[in-house]
Amino acid sequence: GAGVSQSPSNKVTEKGKDVELRCDPISGHTALYWYRQSLGQGLEFLIYFQGNSAPDKSGLPSDRFSAERTGGSVSTLTIQRTQQEDSAVYLCASTPAGSDEQFFGPGTRLTVL
Amino acid sequence: KQEVTQIPAALSVPEGENLVLNCSFTDSAIYNLQWFRQDPGKGLTSLLLIQSSQREQTSGRLNASLDKSSGRSTLYIAASQPGDSATYLCAVSGTNAGKSTFGDGTTLTVKP
Repeated sequence: GAGVSQSPSNKVTEKGKDVELRCDPISGHTALYWYRQSLGQGLEFLIYFQGNSAPDKSGLPSDRFSAERTGGSVSTLTIQRTQQEDSAVYLCASTPAGSDEQFFGPGTRLTVL
Repeated sequence: KQEVTQIPAALSVPEGENLVLNCSFTDSAIYNLQWFRQDPGKGLTSLLLIQSSQREQTSGRLNASLDKSSGRSTLYIAASQPGDSATYLCAVSGTNAGKSTFGDGTTLTVKP
């Protein structure tokens, strides 16, 4: 079946602009995660959605970052007033009910000029 | 705060060799541990998931072990192949099974 998909695959933007990154999890998966992978650094947890529970936003680096998950499926990560340090690959993962195994999408490479 | 360390950072071996990748974590109160591989410019592919109550998991030529008390996991790759060349990441989840902490990875090169 289809895996986790993310769009766009690449995004180049100017400093100060807002961007939206989209994640389509595997159909039926109940949990969804966003991570950030900066050049030469490991994966950094951003936010976690589980069913209808309140999301765990503890990894969001600043109030310029927000995410929502509509209808328990598609998620959008929004970065307002982008800064050069926001440049990274943003990865999304989803997990089926009853399992903890994370399935990752291919990522969105964000470049802030 | 959970910290995950992977040693070595890079490893180069000839084809056919058996090898071990190491992952250590500072807080033993984990929910599970997962091993991934990442190919250049790609997302992560799940290899093995070990629940905190388990000691090991096997899939094909891969075997992962978990020792919670010592805060260690190993990924054993048997009869390595050039196609195994990738970066291998381990990730641990805390007691709420949500937030995962990743190591920086071990970049493996298997030479033909």
